[in-house]
Amino acid sequence: DAMVIQNPRYQVTQFGKPVTLSCSQTLNHNVMYWYQQKSSQAPKLLFHYYDKDFNNEADTPDNFQSRRPNTSFCFLDIRSPGLGDAAMYLCATSRDRMYFGPGTRLTVL
Amino acid sequence: AQKVTQAQTEISVVEKEDVTLDCVYETRDTTYYLFWYKQPPSGELVFLIRRNSFDEQNEISGRYSWNFQKSTSSFNFTITASQVVDSAVYFCALETSGSRLTFGEGTQLTVNP
Repeated sequence: DAMVIQNPRYQVTQFGKPVTLSCSQTLNHNVMYWYQQKSSQAPKLLFHYYDKDFNNEADTPDNFQSRRPNTSFCFLDIRSPGLGDAAMYLCATSRDRMYFGPGTRLTVL
Repeated sequence: AQKVTQAQTEISVVEKEDVTLDCVYETRDTTYYLFWYKQPPSGELVFLIRRNSFDEQNEISGRYSWNFQKSTSSFNFTITASQVVDSAVYFCALETSGSRLTFGEGTQLTVNP
């Protein structure tokens, strides 16, 4: 059974065109995370929520925003995607350990 | 500050060979957790193991085994009789109390038939 679901799995957008990635969880975990993973690199934490308490990493660009309307859902908004934002975006929740979603692979044309 | 080092960027073996992936970590915390994740080409991070800092017992799960040595701050991962399906990027990660998960840079394992 899927526990952390990400939609879509593949997203293509144009340079500068806003895009939203979504994540949902069936685990009822308080903490949710968004990671960015570029090719051949480790995942990099962008931000996380503890319940509705939002925590931004110091080096996360302003171009990236997030919303968490309820426990189950979390969104990643990229306001003006650049070519350098092409990456895999991973959503995760945690309790005893991290539970990762399958990721959304973003292509910027 | 926490740091995880996976010195092997890429490893290539022939099927049925045993292979060990190295992981060395740094932390000043006495309570911490170590993890291994597998990332196949599909991109999903697959959880393999979680080990807390007070449990130095080695673990075996099928063809997988883990060797945790606090004295050398290492948490190495061995695959016995490797198979082509083991080809993936493997990440070692560290979590301390109140801090996020810190990943190593990953080791690309290729198992050739």
